[in-house]
Amino acid sequence: GQNIDQPTEMTATEGAIVQINCTYQTSGFNGLFWYQQHAGEAPTFLSYNVLDGLEEKGRFSSFLSRSKGYSYLLLKELQMKDSASYLCAVRDSNYQLIWGAGTKLIIKP
Amino acid sequence: IAGITQAPTSQILAAGRRMTLRCTQDMRHNAMYWYRQDLGLGLRLIHYSNTAGTTGKGEVPDGYSVSRANTDDFPLTLASAVPSQTSVYFCASSALAGADEQFFGPGTRLTVL
Repeated sequence: GQNIDQPTEMTATEGAIVQINCTYQTSGFNGLFWYQQHAGEAPTFLSYNVLDGLEEKGRFSSFLSRSKGYSYLLLKELQMKDSASYLCAVRDSNYQLIWGAGTKLIIKP
Repeated sequence: IAGITQAPTSQILAAGRRMTLRCTQDMRHNAMYWYRQDLGLGLRLIHYSNTAGTTGKGEVPDGYSVSRANTDDFPLTLASAVPSQTSVYFCASSALAGADEQFFGPGTRLTVL
C-alpha cells in the first residue's frame, strides 16, 4: 500500500528553527511536495523536490533522500504566522498526489 | 474571478438528497481535481480531469460523479448524500496533468445529517 507518515503536531518558539519530517512508501516516485495550510483555509504550495538534496527558498528549505524515502521541511526564524499545518505529498507512478495527514505546527512567543 | 472559486462555502444537507458542488477556475489550467479532507487523514483524491472532456477516478470515487464540459468548470455531484460524505471538499487545478504545483480553491464544508 501507499503510506506517508509525518508527526501529528509539533511546538516551537518564535525565532527558532524547526524541522518537520516526512517518510513515504509509494508505488513509484515522481516528486515530493510540501504545502502549508492555515486553519480553515486552502493548502498553498511551498516546495517541490524530485532530486536528492536540499532546496532553499527564503526561510524555508526542503530536503529529499529518495533512497531512504525521507524528506524534511526546515523552517528558520519562525514567526507567529508560521503557525499552520504542513502537508507532505508524493506524486506516484500515476502522477497523482498521495498526501500525508499533515503536521500541525504551533508557534509560541 | 481570480484563481479558483468554489460554491457554496458551506452546506448542511439531509441524507438522501442530491448536491452539486461548484468549482470554477480562470487560469486556463488543463487539469482539475476534487479532494476531500477529513480530520486525521490526508487529502484524498475523489476525481480528476486531465483536460476538458475527460475525467478519471481517484482514490475514493464511490458516491461521487464529475463532468468537465469546458476548461473552467468542474462540478462534483453527490447523487444521494450519506453522513460519511461529511467533509471539507477542495477543488484544485494545475497547468498540466502532473504539473509541479496545484492551486486550491477555498473549500466547501459539507455536513450530511
